[in-house]
Amino acid sequence: EAGVAQSPRYKIIEKRQSVAFWCNPISGHATLYWYQQILGQGPKLLIQFQNNGVVDDSQLPKDRFSAERLKGVDSTLKIQPAKLEDSAVYLCASSRRGQADSPLHFGNGTRLTVT
Amino acid sequence: DAKTTQPNSMESNEEEPVHLPCNHSTISGTDYIHWYRQLPSQGPEYVIHGLTSNVNNRMASLAIAEDRKSSTLILHRATLRDAAVYYCILGDNDYKLSFGAGTTVTVRA
Repeated sequence: EAGVAQSPRYKIIEKRQSVAFWCNPISGHATLYWYQQILGQGPKLLIQFQNNGVVDDSQLPKDRFSAERLKGVDSTLKIQPAKLEDSAVYLCASSRRGQADSPLHFGNGTRLTVT
Repeated sequence: DAKTTQPNSMESNEEEPVHLPCNHSTISGTDYIHWYRQLPSQGPEYVIHGLTSNVNNRMASLAIAEDRKSSTLILHRATLRDAAVYYCILGDNDYKLSFGAGTTVTVRA
C-alpha cells in the first residue's frame, strides 16, 4: 500500500509569514494526526482527527496554527504568522482505527525553517 | 499521561542482539506498549506493539514483564540499518501517543 504522503519536503520562510503543509493519509485510514518535532526531541502531538472531526487539539497553538481535514481524507496544517520557535519538522501520521492497538504510519515530514 | 523511561543511548556491534529496555511503572491495565523507530531524516516507523504477552514479528521481539511495568525490545541481529532512535510509548484508550526522547542506538561495523 502507498504510504503517507506529505508536501512540501522543505520550506524556508521569514517570521510573520504564513505557511501551509499538506498530508494525504493511507487510503481507508480513519484517523489522522499532526505532530511537531523540534530538533533533538520526540514528536509532539498537535491535533488528531477522526474522519473529518477533531478528536484532540489541546496542544495546538490556536492563535497561530489551524488544521482541517476536508471530506475525511487529505489534511492541511497552516501557521499564520510564523515565529522563529516554529522551526521544526511537521509530521503527519494516519491509523486505520485510531485505537490503542492500531499502529500509526508516518510520512517523512516537512522541515520548516523560520528565519 | 502514562510515562516511559528509556536509556538515552546504547551501542551494539553488527550481527549481535540488541536489548532495549523500557520502564513504564504507571501503566494502566488497558494501555498497549508500542515501539517505533526513527531513522535520520525520516518519520517514525512502527516496529511492534503488545498488551500482555510477548510478541514477535519480522523486525523484532517484544518481551513484556509479568507485572507489565517494564518491557524490552529485542533486535535479534543488529545491522547498520538498525541505527536509529527507538521510542517506547504507551497507547491508551484515547490512543494519544506521547513520544519521549527515546534511545539512540548506534551499531558498530
